[in-house]
Amino acid sequence: NAGVMQNPRHLVRRRGQEARLRCSPMKGHSHVYWYRQLPEEGLKFMVYLQKENIIDESGMPKERFSAEFPKEGPSILRIQQVVRGDSAAYFCASSPKGTGTEAFFGQGTRLTVV
Amino acid sequence: GESVGLHLPTLSVQEGDNSIINCAYSNSASDYFIWYKQESGKGPQFIIDIRSNMDKRQGQRVTVLLNKTVKHLSLQIAATQPGDSAVYFCAENRGGGYNKLIFGAGTRLAVHP
Repeated sequence: NAGVMQNPRHLVRRRGQEARLRCSPMKGHSHVYWYRQLPEEGLKFMVYLQKENIIDESGMPKERFSAEFPKEGPSILRIQQVVRGDSAAYFCASSPKGTGTEAFFGQGTRLTVV
Repeated sequence: GESVGLHLPTLSVQEGDNSIINCAYSNSASDYFIWYKQESGKGPQFIIDIRSNMDKRQGQRVTVLLNKTVKHLSLQIAATQPGDSAVYFCAENRGGGYNKLIFGAGTRLAVHP
């Protein structure tokens, strides 16, 4: 059973471009979480999704950021018009249900905005 | 505001010694805590968890202690090995029904031969 798969592992974008980060949860997991990590800091919650639904996006910036988890395919974190401050590691986690079980993390996507 | 934080940013130990990593939390209503290990360039790896109805939980070479009176959490690693070198995070689950984790800043554990 493959773990949480994120791609790309590294992504370089110029200021103003769009970044699309993908996350395929573990098989059988229908709950996906996105976190952002700045260098030498802990992870910050961004958004929690179930299939086709955004449950909690309280950690998402109000502008330029969006997330989806369609019925088919991976979860996507989309950042429009990237700025240098968006440079960070973005981690996805999944769990088989909302609570009572641990969340398994992917290896992350390291976004660099130049 | 409410937060989960760590006392020591860096901990250096000799191989074979026991390591203790501490964490303070401020939300007395929190009822679930997790320790994660993160190696360079990798995602967080679950180590051990504990619920607020417990004071202690043991795993393989690791023990988590929870003191609700002073809102303190610790991770003990027995016979620390070079492979234990990593950044360790405590996290508080405030999801109210889902895994909305609030992470501390992290402690870097360096194991010396």
